[in-house]
Amino acid sequence: AQSVTQLGSHVSVSEGALVLLRCNYSSSVPPYLFWYVQYPNQGLQLLLKYTTGATLVKGINGFEAEFKKSETSFHLTKPSAHMSDAAEYFCAVSSRSQGNLIFGKGTKLSVKP
Amino acid sequence: DSGVTQTPKHLITATGQRVTLRCSPRSGDLSVYWYQQSLDQGLQFLIQYYNGEERAKGNILERFSAQQFPDLHSELNLSSLELGDSALYFCASSVVWGAGELFFGEGSRLTVL
Repeated sequence: AQSVTQLGSHVSVSEGALVLLRCNYSSSVPPYLFWYVQYPNQGLQLLLKYTTGATLVKGINGFEAEFKKSETSFHLTKPSAHMSDAAEYFCAVSSRSQGNLIFGKGTKLSVKP
Repeated sequence: DSGVTQTPKHLITATGQRVTLRCSPRSGDLSVYWYQQSLDQGLQFLIQYYNGEERAKGNILERFSAQQFPDLHSELNLSSLELGDSALYFCASSVVWGAGELFFGEGSRLTVL
């Protein structure tokens, strides 16, 4: 079975500060990993994904994540937070033989001016 | 705009009633997924269809059922509704079955009174 744990249900940063959202996964097969963002009253939008190949993945809006197999982690980072980054972020895991995504419980990011 | 259309956007009904949520996937997408999002449970995978056939089942209650029609749209039927069924129900679609990016609709918010 696969699972995802997101550390911290709420993270608050100042505008211009580093954003770090943590995600650890559990999977008995090579995982495919995703980060989605949800703005208020909207659906989920893909930020970035890792399937195979390069372990440092760049996504939209300046976000990136690094797949670390030894640490079973896929943390999301952004060097400088912007007010528009305030949203809820979900980490998800899947695999080659699995169609659906298993989501973590989400981390709500607040950005202070 | 993800290209996934869900109707209705909002629905208020009473306990014991039955409702149907509708989803039109992106043009060309063969896979449809249903998720339930609630404050206490987070994003829970319910069920997946691929080209009209059920491919995976998650935490879907027996009171809930779904189907995908020949034109690829899908419906989620919720019956004998309980207060705890109040949630945001998302539909997502993907081109292929297996670890592809999921495109989410904006959701149907169900309130059971």
